[in-house]
Amino acid sequence: AQSVAQPEDQVNVAEGNPLTVKCTYSVSGNPYLFWYVQYPNRGLQFLLKYITGDNLVKGSYGFEAEFNKSQTSFHLKKPSALVSDSALYFCAVRDIQTGANNLFFGTGTRLTVIP
Amino acid sequence: NAGVTQTPKFQVLKTGQSMTLQCAQDMNHEYMSWYRQDPGMGLRLIHYSVGAGITDQGEVPNGYNVSRSTTEDFPLRLLSAAPSQTSVYFCASSYSPQGLQETQYFGPGTRLLVL
Repeated sequence: AQSVAQPEDQVNVAEGNPLTVKCTYSVSGNPYLFWYVQYPNRGLQFLLKYITGDNLVKGSYGFEAEFNKSQTSFHLKKPSALVSDSALYFCAVRDIQTGANNLFFGTGTRLTVIP
Repeated sequence: NAGVTQTPKFQVLKTGQSMTLQCAQDMNHEYMSWYRQDPGMGLRLIHYSVGAGITDQGEVPNGYNVSRSTTEDFPLRLLSAAPSQTSVYFCASSYSPQGLQETQYFGPGTRLLVL
């Protein structure tokens, strides 16, 4: 079975400080991992993905994610948070059992950046 | 390109009523899917399609039907609405139905309230 877990429902960070949103995964085989962001009353927007290669993946809006195989983690990071980064963040893993391009999502982490 | 579009944006139904949520994409994507988003549960896959004429069930298919008569459209039908189907529904698509690196693009969502 494949799954991802986001252990924190809520993360608060001061503007200008670094931020981390945590994600751990469980897959049998190679993981294909994604981060999406959802702004209020909007659909999900793609941020970045890990397929293979470098463990540090760079994405949109200055975000990056660090893949750690030994810890089975894929944490989302940003060096300096902006108030506009406040949103709901989802980690997801690709379904590799059905062969179709389905995703299993975590429960989401709400990020609040405090001015 | 309009991307992935969904209609309606918001709908109120009475228990037992039926309705169809519309989803269309103009990117010539082979893969399309429907997710529902519930608080504290992330997004869960309802049904998906890897091409015109091909559909399959996801994690939570009960009470929903789909069809894929064209590449562009993937409607979701609620046969007899129940309060448990109160949720936000997202449609998503990607170019390849099976590519490991494929990114899914999401529509803006339909908010459904069943009384």
